[in-house]
This record gives sequence, C-alpha cells and structure tokens, in this order.
Amino acid sequence: NAGVTQTPKFQVLKTGQSMTLQCAQDMNHNSMYWYRQDPGMGLRLIYYSASEGTTDKGEVPNGYNVSRLNKREFSLRLESAAPSQTSVYFCASSAIWTGEGGEQFFGPGTRLTVL
Amino acid sequence: GNSVTQMEGPVTLSEEAFLTINCTYTATGYPSLFWYVQYPGEGLQLLLKATKADDKGSNKGFEATYRKETTSFHLEKGSVQVSDSAVYFCALSDNTNAGKSTFGDGTTLTVKP
Repeated sequence: NAGVTQTPKFQVLKTGQSMTLQCAQDMNHNSMYWYRQDPGMGLRLIYYSASEGTTDKGEVPNGYNVSRLNKREFSLRLESAAPSQTSVYFCASSAIWTGEGGEQFFGPGTRLTVL
Repeated sequence: GNSVTQMEGPVTLSEEAFLTINCTYTATGYPSLFWYVQYPGEGLQLLLKATKADDKGSNKGFEATYRKETTSFHLEKGSVQVSDSAVYFCALSDNTNAGKSTFGDGTTLTVKP
C-alpha cells in the first residue's frame, strides 16, 4: 500500500517549457487535490477533483490545468512555465466524508524550479 | 468562508519544555479539525484529529481538544523532543464540497538539546 505517489521528485524547467506532474493514490479515495507550498505562504489549493471526471478550480488555478484520468490518477500540467511557478507541489487525496473525519493523505512532493 | 488562524512562529524550545501552538477557526456547521506535521523534505502527515465538539485527539504525546465555544483546537505536548522539530499545520474540513480542507499558515517548531 504505497498511499499517494508523485513523480518526478525534482524538476528544473526553463521559462516557457511545459511539463506534467503525475499523482496516483491506491486508497480508493474519491477526492484528490493539488497544492503549492511557498515559503511563508502555507498551502494553497490549485485544483481539486471530487470524483472521476470532475475537476474544479481552487485558490490559485491560473497557469495550470489538471486531468482526472481515472479514480487513481490526477495530473497537473504547466503549459508555459514561469519563474513565479517555482514551488513545491503536493498532491493529496481523501475519502468523501463518511463520518470518519475526512483527513487528507499527502504525497512526498515535487520540487520545481523555473529558471 | 472558512478560515484557520494559527500561532505565528517560529517557536524555539529546549528539550523537555511544554509546547502550546494556538489554533482558532471560523466555519459554518460542524467541521472536523486536524493537526498535520511536516518534517523537512516531506509531505504533510496527519498528527491527530477530532470530529466533534469536546473530542480530544491524541498521538505521540500530542493532544488537542475541539472547543466549539471558543472555536479553538490548540496543540499541546508536555515534554518536547528534538525529533519533534517540524512544521505544524492546523486545518479544518467542513465535510462537504469534495472534502476540501482549509489550512493555517503553519508554525515552525525547533527543539534544541
């Protein structure tokens, strides 16, 4: 049981390049999330998906797109990377609340630098 | 909307000192409350949770009590260790809307030997 996995762990891009961050969970969770974490800014929600086939914008969606490929996988795409997107990106998942608290399970993160 | 306000850091303590990190929240209805911990270079992991008023969550010597009357969920530990050095996040989930959570800004704890 791997939990939430993310690839790659590290990435360096040049301004204008594109890339896709991959996330997968093996806990049969309905909901998945993408966050970015910047120093002094806490966690900011980029996009989320309540179920397979649905996605919604979070707090900071500009410059990103997402795909919920199936129940397990939720990818984040940067179409034209900018230095302001240098950050640590976390994927998370949770079960839709069933009376057991709804905590989120996080992946180990992708450390992205845009030059 | 929902919000979480937690004690600003950083916090520096000596080993075996008492720890309190304050957390207050604003939410409609009956949210679930969480403390997450993030060790250097890692993702967040759940430390403890409470799902209803007056519940006490506890784990690894840490405790927090869900206080609806003061809308608080303060984290405490009686005797911290160097290994407790990490960033601590308070969070709530209102149990609707795709299970979205609202996180505080995090408090960095450093414990010195």
